[in-house]
Amino acid sequence: EVQLVESGGDLVQPGRSLRLSCVASGFTFDEYALHWVRQAPGKGLEWVSGISGNGNSIGYADSVKGRFSISKDNAKNSLYLQMNSLRPEDTALYYCTRDLKGNSWYFCAYDIWGQGTMVTVSS
Amino acid sequence: QSALTQPASVSGSPGQSITISCTGSSSDVGKYNLVSWYQQHPGKAPKLVISEVTKRPPGVSDRFSGSKSGNTASLTISGLQAEDEANYYCCAYAGSTTLMFGGGTKLTVL
Repeated sequence: EVQLVESGGDLVQPGRSLRLSCVASGFTFDEYALHWVRQAPGKGLEWVSGISGNGNSIGYADSVKGRFSISKDNAKNSLYLQMNSLRPEDTALYYCTRDLKGNSWYFCAYDIWGQGTMVTVSS
Repeated sequence: QSALTQPASVSGSPGQSITISCTGSSSDVGKYNLVSWYQQHPGKAPKLVISEVTKRPPGVSDRFSGSKSGNTASLTISGLQAEDEANYYCCAYAGSTTLMFGGGTKLTVL
């Protein structure tokens, strides 16, 4: 079964750091671009960051650029999101997603979604 | 980065057709045929219904169709059914290394 499972969400204070993880199974990990998409409570979807299958191309939303860093470990079938200098507006459910178009990451065509991991930034 | 503009809500009766618009600019929607649409029911993860403006993923009903004219992409749902009631989001490539979603549209089936 093709699956993405996120972990690492927590309640943290503003200014602190957190690292999210996403473990993939059921497909060839390095052949697909992967992304993080978040959704604040009661709000819409927001693209956060994406990385190509081979890791050579990375992108970030302006709202997180310079604070968040995406990476992947093909040996562990894992995707990560390092989040630094967290702000209350980063509070959201963070989804790990797979782009069905393969290595290219700019299609925004996510066919597989994880269940999400909740990040709450509050003092 | 400006979010793509969608109507906050649309509604229709069972059997009717509705269209949801997604307006961007000449730098994103107007420049690339890289617009996708998602359906999201409350408490669930989004589901891809259209990619690359017009392509339906396997398993998606042919009642869902996509199109684009200029800087505006559209999602049309024909033969509206009760289970179509959900939130719908567009997503587009904005050039360089950036993607963005629209603000979302709540579809109500009357």
